[in-house]
Amino acid sequence: GEDVEQSLFLSVREGDSSVINCTYTDSSSTYLYWYKQEPGAGLQLLTYIFSNMDMKQDQRLTVLLNKKDKHLSLRIADTQTGDSAIYFCAEGLSGGYNKLIFGAGTRLAVHP
Amino acid sequence: DVKVTQSSRYLVKRTGEKVFLECVQDMDHENMFWYRQDPGLGLRLIYFSYDVKMKEKGDIPEGYSVSREKKERFSLILESASTNQTSMYLCASSSITQGAYEQYFGPGTRLTVT
Repeated sequence: GEDVEQSLFLSVREGDSSVINCTYTDSSSTYLYWYKQEPGAGLQLLTYIFSNMDMKQDQRLTVLLNKKDKHLSLRIADTQTGDSAIYFCAEGLSGGYNKLIFGAGTRLAVHP
Repeated sequence: DVKVTQSSRYLVKRTGEKVFLECVQDMDHENMFWYRQDPGLGLRLIYFSYDVKMKEKGDIPEGYSVSREKKERFSLILESASTNQTSMYLCASSSITQGAYEQYFGPGTRLTVT
């Protein structure tokens, strides 16, 4: 079945770049998504990438997609304390109804 | 701005009680979803609905049911709450933008069953 895997924790120093990695199994995924969850809140869509692209940049965020290896990464440049959150990778399944399969989430801790 | 609201942020119920969690969205979205979120497991889909009165089971529907009588409202029902249903419950609705479906989430309901 479909599966999405992420490492559970990442700690970075303020001002450094953060790279959060994700692997997925469904090669027919059409879109891949990154969501952010701040403490006590629901998930907020950060960015997404279409499966026929290999890179997307949006201000401090860069998404890289290696479709051959089914590997997705999210790079946050100049990481700030406000970036501390849980980041979820999700794959959008082909077919109807917009089902997403989420990874377990990576908790990013930013320290001074 | 899209808004998805959930009826309660925190809820404490006793084993065996019937529990209703309500979700309302204000953007006329067709699709609505209920997930539960547990540490280390991410989000798991319980049920979703693609239209009024229509529903589909997700990955973990056992012990839950849903109701969608109006387009903007999607309710999750725990017929007889059990301690293993203690979790964070997240509702979402979705629309399509430039070919990608965007799911918008509510703030979540943290349910404790004692």
